[in-house]
Amino acid sequence: SQTIHQWPATLVQPVGSPLSLECTVEGTSNPNLYWYRQAAGRGLQLLFYSVGIGQISSEVPQNLSASRPQDRQFILSSKKLLLSDSGFYLCAWRWTGVNTEAFFGQGTRLTVV
Amino acid sequence: AQSVSQHNHHVILSEAASLELGCNYSYGGTVNLFWYVQYPGQHLQLLLKYFSGDPLVKGIKGFEAEFIKSKFSFNLRKPSVQWSDTAEYFCAAPRDNAGNMLTFGGGTRLMVKP
Repeated sequence: SQTIHQWPATLVQPVGSPLSLECTVEGTSNPNLYWYRQAAGRGLQLLFYSVGIGQISSEVPQNLSASRPQDRQFILSSKKLLLSDSGFYLCAWRWTGVNTEAFFGQGTRLTVV
Repeated sequence: AQSVSQHNHHVILSEAASLELGCNYSYGGTVNLFWYVQYPGQHLQLLLKYFSGDPLVKGIKGFEAEFIKSKFSFNLRKPSVQWSDTAEYFCAAPRDNAGNMLTFGGGTRLMVKP
């Protein structure tokens, strides 16, 4: 069966520091991978998605970037965090197709101080 | 591109009350729809999904949703809620026919009072 791991679960970082959140999927190959940010009352905002190694699509221009160095690894990064980057970040995977569901990781609560 | 909206942001119910959470989608072609739930401290998980066929879809934990094409709606229902249904609920749909991503509604926070 497929599993998705996301870490760390919580993170407190100072403004201006770098960020690296990692997500890995097991039990499947060539999944679509996603980073979402969840804000209270605003649902899930898609930040990045990837349909293959090295292929990244950015949905929202901002202080973050994503990379997919391996088939089942998806990394969310920032060179210098802003206060506004605080939030709950979710990684997800799914197969391509209009009738496929997404599977989510446990999420990372990022607080920038 | 498909968009999804949920008009109830916060709902408070007493146990045993009936639940209906609204979800509307924008694109009227072939539609695939999902409801997800996020219990406190847990990850998002699928409640139910609609692809085609019977417009009344049964999901886990006694939830169901009805696809009404004429109203562009896919409302989530449960006849009698329990305290353990306290959670945030999200409606979702593929953003386009390529199916590369899901777009989510703003979510509805449900609180069930014991």
